[in-house]
Amino acid sequence: GAVVSQHPSRVICKSGTSVKIECRSLDFQATTMFWYRQFPKKSLMLMATSNEGSKATYEQGVEKDKFLINHASLTLSTLTVTSAHPEDSSFYICSARPLAGGKDTQYFGPGTRLTVL
Amino acid sequence: AQKVTQAQTEISVVEKEDVTLDCVYETRDTTYYLFWYKQPPSGELVFLIRRNSFDEQNEISGRYSWNFQKSTSSFNFTITASQVVDSAVYFCALSVPDTGRRALTFGSGTRLQVQP
Repeated sequence: GAVVSQHPSRVICKSGTSVKIECRSLDFQATTMFWYRQFPKKSLMLMATSNEGSKATYEQGVEKDKFLINHASLTLSTLTVTSAHPEDSSFYICSARPLAGGKDTQYFGPGTRLTVL
Repeated sequence: AQKVTQAQTEISVVEKEDVTLDCVYETRDTTYYLFWYKQPPSGELVFLIRRNSFDEQNEISGRYSWNFQKSTSSFNFTITASQVVDSAVYFCALSVPDTGRRALTFGSGTRLQVQP
């Protein structure tokens, strides 16, 4: 089956630093990738839709200047949390939709747990 | 707008019991997809099933079965003879391709605890 990887799987950083999370589709091309955020014991909330070669579409309430998304190729999207603060601590999950997808298939990455001290 | 409701926040059963997780969805679109995912403590989402809005046939896969009822906008998930390994959070989700919103709208999840 299709595989999506995320790197790093876990990161701890100091307040004020920036953290980059990578989402890669390993065996398929994806024009669209999605970034979700999950707080402890909560559901997944869509943050943004990342389209290859164009600007990401952010959900209402998500600061685009804080959560920078870049989708430079058909297999890679990155999420950079800029000037991270403790309230940004969360579980970030990406998903990728295959270029040749049908049935609205999406494949999820394993997630990245961010802890900001 | 789309909405998915999982009214059961947490369910606890004893091993070998059957358990049904409820999911009710809202959408005005006639074409949509429904999903169930399992999230074990590791956090990784495990895909269980995808169902399109035109296929109301119930599905069985081993101990898992799904009941899709458009009349009540429900897509319930039953685990038969539950096992400890079934303990996880289960999410029901919806996507509506025709609106261009292909991201999933997730329910709030149901935490299932299966006691030995």
